[in-house]
Amino acid sequence: DAGVIQSPRHEVTEMGQEVTLRCKPISGHDYLFWYRQTMMRGLELLIYFNNNVPIDDSGMPEDRFSAKMPNASFSTLKIQPSEPRDSAVYFCASSRTLYSPLHFGNGTRLTVT
Amino acid sequence: AQKITQTQPGMFVQEKEAVTLDCTYDTSDPSYGLFWYKQPSSGEMIFLIYQGSYDQQNATEGRYSLNFQKARKSANLVISASQLGDSAMYFCAMRGLRGAQKLVFGQGTRLTINP
Repeated sequence: DAGVIQSPRHEVTEMGQEVTLRCKPISGHDYLFWYRQTMMRGLELLIYFNNNVPIDDSGMPEDRFSAKMPNASFSTLKIQPSEPRDSAVYFCASSRTLYSPLHFGNGTRLTVT
Repeated sequence: AQKITQTQPGMFVQEKEAVTLDCTYDTSDPSYGLFWYKQPSSGEMIFLIYQGSYDQQNATEGRYSLNFQKARKSANLVISASQLGDSAMYFCAMRGLRGAQKLVFGQGTRLTINP
């Protein structure tokens, strides 16, 4: 059983560029979450989906961030334009039900110079 | 609003000793779940243990157990017979099961096991 798959593992980009992070959740999981982890702010929830529908995007920091889930097996998090303060590790996670633990991907380490 | 508080930024324990990592929470949701995750230096997030708010017994998973005290709103993680490989960041998290269904994390505790 494959876990949550994120790509790329590392991304280095220049300020102002568009960045797209990708996530494939575990098959059969109804919930998908995007988190950001930094030393200063810890693990922050950005957005989560239930059955491909965005439920809570209150954690999305600015209009520069957007997330989509066009189908049950794929989600993207886009930052346009990127800024140095967006540098962080971005995790995607999925869970089967409300009562199930979240399974995390290995994360994407984003560096914006 | 949900809030998780982990008051121990760092802990140092001798190998083979038991260790308790503290976690307190606050929520208005009458039904919720509590989780502990381990994050080793390699960065992945590993699920350890789950406790539902209506579970009558404390959860256990191998060397991990959760000391759940609902009235005190605490959900401490106990690791018995600690091993060097237990050195990692540990995060307590909570998820509302009726209202806000997002998983909210505490700031974490860095556990170091000394040989």
